[in-house]
This record gives sequence, structure tokens and C-alpha cells, in this order.
Amino acid sequence: DVKVTQSSRYLVKRTGEKVFLECVQDMDHENMFWYRQDPGLGLRLIYFSYDVKMKEKGDIPEGYSVSREKKERFSLILESASTNQTSMYLCASSPLYLGSYTDTQYFGPGTRLTVL
Amino acid sequence: SQQGEEDPQALSIQEGENATMNCSYKTSINNLQWYRQNSGRGLVHLILIRSNEREKHSGRLRVTLDTSKKSSSLLITASRAADTASYFCATAVKNQAGTALIFGKGTTLSVSS
Repeated sequence: DVKVTQSSRYLVKRTGEKVFLECVQDMDHENMFWYRQDPGLGLRLIYFSYDVKMKEKGDIPEGYSVSREKKERFSLILESASTNQTSMYLCASSPLYLGSYTDTQYFGPGTRLTVL
Repeated sequence: SQQGEEDPQALSIQEGENATMNCSYKTSINNLQWYRQNSGRGLVHLILIRSNEREKHSGRLRVTLDTSKKSSSLLITASRAADTASYFCATAVKNQAGTALIFGKGTTLSVSS
């Protein structure tokens, strides 16, 4: 079974802090994704990566950066956390299928981040 | 506006009944997927249907796709309390970076015993 793990289930940080959210997958998937999920807004893509050291902006990249130094690990960084970044953050991975990023995605359990 | 929109937003049924959720989308797609999310957890992939397929089954799940109407439906037969969750459709579309999965806002299903 594919396993995607996230470093924390719950996290509380203060405004202005630098926040690291870690995601690790064990299935050698090429593609990895970071989403945030908010009530009434659904899932929105922040960043994705289709290879080591590669990254692409999603729909809402402002205020975030990412790092992918190893194939299995994809980190989301909030350079200076703000209260409007309080959200559920979901990491996902997927295999590269026929050159597409859009085959089945496997999600981690999520990190509920609260910024005070 | 949303690429994929589920309907209804919320659905309450009794155990043993069937649950039907619909998804409408706006642009052409490569595939359409359904996911389930239990409260406070990550999403779990249920089923993927490609644009050249019309119907797919997996256990108690049946998914249909009508590309002419740009719509899909998810049917859960003989529902159980454990089916209580939010259900999302996701459409695979082309964007500036290549292709992406666009998620709808979900249907919340409550199954009471």
C-alpha cells in the first residue's frame, strides 16, 4: 500500500514564524503536491513537483515556498506565517502515468495548522 | 467559477438506501476521479474513469461519465454508516503547467443506522 506521511497532525504557530511542513511518500512516485483545504473553498493547489529539485506553482502559491531535495520528500515552507494561513494542509503523491500529472493521487492524513 | 461542482452539497439517508452524488464540470477532461474524506482526515481515492469510458464499477460503487453533458455521477449502493464522509470529484484538465487535478467542494453524506 502507498503510504504518505506528514510530519504533524496538529500544529500551532505564531504570526511571523517560519513554518516547515514535511511530507514523505514511500512508493517512488514522481509527482508530489501540496493543497490547502478550507470550508466552502474545497481543495486548492499550492505547489506541485514532478521531479527532484523541480517545482511548479499551483493556484495559490503566494506566501509559500517548497523544497524537494529527495524524491520521497516534499516540504512546504511558510516564510512568515500569517493568520490567514490557518488551514488544513494536505500532501499527495502520484505516479507519472503516460506523461501526466493527473492520475490517482494518494493523500497524507493532513496537518491542521493554526496561526495565532 | 468552479471547474467541478458536486450536487447536492449535503445528503442524509438511512442505512441500506442508495446514495447518488453528481458532478458537473465545464471544460474537456482527460479523466474524472472520485475521492472520499472522513472527517479531519486525508482524501482516499475511490475510482477513476477516463474520458473514453462511460461507466465503471468498484464493489458497491458505480460511476458514470457523460462527456456530452459534462457530468458524472457516483452511486453508492446499500449504504452503511461507515460511508458517512465527504465525497469529492476531481477533473483532470490542461493548465499552463501541463495538466492538473481540479477538486470540487464536495458532497457531505450522512448515513444513519
